[in-house]
Amino acid sequence: KAGVTQTPRYLIKTRGQQVTLSCSPISGHRSVSWYQQTPGQGLQFLFEYFSETQRNKGNFPGRFSGRQFSNSRSEMNVSTLELGDSALYLCASSFDPGQGTDTQYFGPGTRLTVL
Amino acid sequence: AQSVTQLDSHVSVSEGTPVLLRCNYSSSYSPSLFWYVQHPNKGLQLLLKYTSAATLVKGINGFEAEFKKSETSFHLTKPSAHMSDAAEYFCVVSDVTGANNLFFGTGTRLTVIP
Repeated sequence: KAGVTQTPRYLIKTRGQQVTLSCSPISGHRSVSWYQQTPGQGLQFLFEYFSETQRNKGNFPGRFSGRQFSNSRSEMNVSTLELGDSALYLCASSFDPGQGTDTQYFGPGTRLTVL
Repeated sequence: AQSVTQLDSHVSVSEGTPVLLRCNYSSSYSPSLFWYVQHPNKGLQLLLKYTSAATLVKGINGFEAEFKKSETSFHLTKPSAHMSDAAEYFCVVSDVTGANNLFFGTGTRLTVIP
C-alpha cells in the first residue's frame, strides 16, 4: 500500500505570495492532519480534515487554510506569505478519525522557503 | 492540557551500547503516547505506541518503551545502538478529547559514534 504523498517536495516563494500544498493520504484513510515544523517552534498542529470538513484547528492565523476533497486528498493554502512561514509542512493520515489512539502516518513533507 | 517533555535535546552513544531517550508526559487522563523517528530530510516514522494495554511496548528496529504512570514517564530504550539509529526522536501525546491531533516534544537528536 502506498504511503502518504506530498507535492511538491520543495517550494521557494517570496513574501506576500500565496502557496498551495497537496497531500494524498494512504488509501482508505479519511482523516488528514497538517503540521508545521520549524527549528524554533518544533512540530505544531495546524488542522485536521475528515469527510471534507475541518474537524480540529490549531493556533495559527487565518492565513493558513485547507480543504479536503471527496477522495480524501487535502490541500493546504497559505496566503500573504511571511518569512516566518518558512518551514517543513507535514501531512499525516489516519484511518479512524476522532480517535486519539489511532496512528497517524506521515508523508515526507514539503519544504517551503519564503524569501 | 496534554504535553510532553523530552529531557535531553541531544544524546550521544557508541555503537553497540544501550540507548535511553527520556520523556515525561502531562495529561489529565490516561494518555495515548507515541515515539516517532525522523531521519534527515525525511518525514516521521512511527516507532511504537502505547494505548493503555501492556505497559511495556515493543516497537520496530529493536526499540521499546515502558509506560510508568507513577513517574509520568515513557522512556525509549534500545539494548544496542546501530549507526542507522542516528536521527531525531519525538515523544508524542495525543489529544485526550478524541480529536485527531498530536502534541510533540521538542525532540532528542541521537548521535551514534562508530
